[in-house]
Amino acid sequence: DTAVSQTPKYLVTQMGNDKSIKCEQNLGHDTMYWYKQDSKKFLKIMFSYNNKELIINETVPNRFSPKSPDKAHLNLHINSLELGDSAVYFCASSPGSRNQPQHFGDGTRLSIL
Amino acid sequence: QQQVKQSPQSLIVQKGGISIINCAYENTAFDYFPWYQQFPGKGPALLIAIRPDVSEKKEGRFTISFNKSAKQFSLHIMDSQPGDSATYFCAASRGNNAGNMLTFGGGTRLMVKP
Repeated sequence: DTAVSQTPKYLVTQMGNDKSIKCEQNLGHDTMYWYKQDSKKFLKIMFSYNNKELIINETVPNRFSPKSPDKAHLNLHINSLELGDSAVYFCASSPGSRNQPQHFGDGTRLSIL
Repeated sequence: QQQVKQSPQSLIVQKGGISIINCAYENTAFDYFPWYQQFPGKGPALLIAIRPDVSEKKEGRFTISFNKSAKQFSLHIMDSQPGDSATYFCAASRGNNAGNMLTFGGGTRLMVKP
């Protein structure tokens, strides 16, 4: 069973469109995250979310918004896509306590035409 | 400002050799230092992690050395194997009871030659 799963695996779309990436974890974790990996492989935190608080990296544009229908899901919505949004987006989860290992999904490769 | 600096960017090692990757951090509030391994087309996977009250941690062929005063930590892979060829990331975080947001180094692409 896949612990952290993301859909779709690939997403190709036009500039200006709105798109969503879904993430589900079956580990019973309390905290979920979104990371962005750019073309140079640099990984950067975008959001951390559990049922108590949402922490947003201050560098993330407000076109990006996480939405969590329940504890096992954290979806990423992106409005008005720009060329610079092309990247691989990773979802991760961890227990909701201090400094626990994070488990990552296999990523969604977003390409903006 | 890059809070976690990682070197080298790429590394080629012969099979059976020792691979060494170094990281330095700036934020003294960081209290958790994991290393992740990433294969092409896959997400990062936790390899080993250390907390600053320990100077060294070993798991199988993988060892983390930690120098709190120098704000540096390193990963040593003993008896490197071709299957270890991957990209390695160091990371650091300051956790709370809601989780922890990782700050990653820039990554090291390791190639182990047979």
